[in-house]
Formats: sequence, structure tokens, C-alpha cells
Amino acid sequence: NAGVTQTPKFRILKIGQSMTLQCTQDMNHNYMYWYRQDPGMGLKLIYYSVGAGITDKGEVPNGYNVSRSTTEDFPLRLELAAPSQTSVYFCASSYAPAEAFFGQGTRLTVV
Amino acid sequence: EDQVTQSPEALRLQEGESSSLNCSYTVSGLRGLFWYRQDPGKGPEFLFTLYSAGEEKEKERLKATLTKKESFLHITAPKPEDSATYLCAVQAIMNYGGSQGNLIFGKGTKLSVKP
Repeated sequence: NAGVTQTPKFRILKIGQSMTLQCTQDMNHNYMYWYRQDPGMGLKLIYYSVGAGITDKGEVPNGYNVSRSTTEDFPLRLELAAPSQTSVYFCASSYAPAEAFFGQGTRLTVV
Repeated sequence: EDQVTQSPEALRLQEGESSSLNCSYTVSGLRGLFWYRQDPGKGPEFLFTLYSAGEEKEKERLKATLTKKESFLHITAPKPEDSATYLCAVQAIMNYGGSQGNLIFGKGTKLSVKP
């Protein structure tokens, strides 16, 4: 049982490039989330989804997009990367509005 | 505005020296309070959920308690392997009585336990 799997683990992007952070879960959870974690700060919610085909903005959605075509997958798209998007990104999932289970994170650097 | 404040920011203990971490919260309606452990370079690992004031949960050397305004994570006779950052998060009840599920996190307490 893999839980929540994120790829890649590390990535360096140049300013203006785009990329997709992949997230997949094998627990059949309805709820999925994307958070970012900056040094000395709490995790901030970027986007979330309560089921396939349903997504909504979190606290810090600017510069990101998501889609949820299946229960398992919840990719996060960065368009026109900026240095402010340098962060560690965590994907999480939960069966209901309850405890969430996190992936191992993607460390992104924009230079 | 919903908010979570954790203290202290960092805590250094000797092995066997018991202590407590604090999580103060302000939320319009609390659905649940969660404690996570995060090791360097890893994702948060779920520890406990507390739903109502007076509730307590225990796991090995850790015990979490909840009041109407704060939660404590008590660490009894800690060992070096307890060293990690401990995160507190709250989940709010939305106006319609449900919840969108997202967690509001504090900044964490970095715990170091020296042998």
C-alpha cells in the first residue's frame, strides 16, 4: 500500500518555465489537497478537491492550476514559474473531512 | 480569521526530561484538531485527532489533550528518536455545517532530544 506518491522529489526550474507536479493516491480517498511549505511558515493550502471533477481554490492559488479527472490523481500545474514559487510542495488525501495523509513532498527551486 | 499558534518555536530536552508543546487556536467552529510529526525532508505523519474539549489521546510517550482554546502535546520521558518538528492543525466547520476538509496549520515546534 503506497499511500500518497508524489513525483518528482526534486526539481530546478528556470523563471518562466512550466511544470506539473504529480500526485497519486491508492487509498480511494475522495478529498485531495495541495499545500506548500516555506521555511519558518506553516503549510498553506493551494488547491483542494472533494472528488473527481471538483476542485476549488485554497489560500494561495495564484500561479497554479489543478485538475481532478480520476479519484487517484491530482496534478498541480505551475505556469510561468517565478522565484516566489520556490518551496516544498505536499500533496495529501483524506477519506472525508478528517485526518489527511501526506506524500513525501516535492522540493522545487525556481532560478 | 482562523488561526493556529504553536509555542515554543524550538525546544531542547535531555533524554528522559518530560515537557509539553502548546497549540493555541482561534476558529469559528472547530471540527477537529490534529497533531502531526514531521521529520526533515519528509511529509507530515499523522499522530492524533481531537474533536471535543476534554478529549485525550495517547500513543507511546505522547499524549494530546484539548481545551476550548488550546491543545497540549505532552511528551513523557522522551528519547532521541522523538526529535522532529511537531505540527498542529485545525479543521473548521463551515457555515453549512459541513467541512471542506482543509487544515489550517501552525508553524510547528522543533523538538530536539539529546542523549
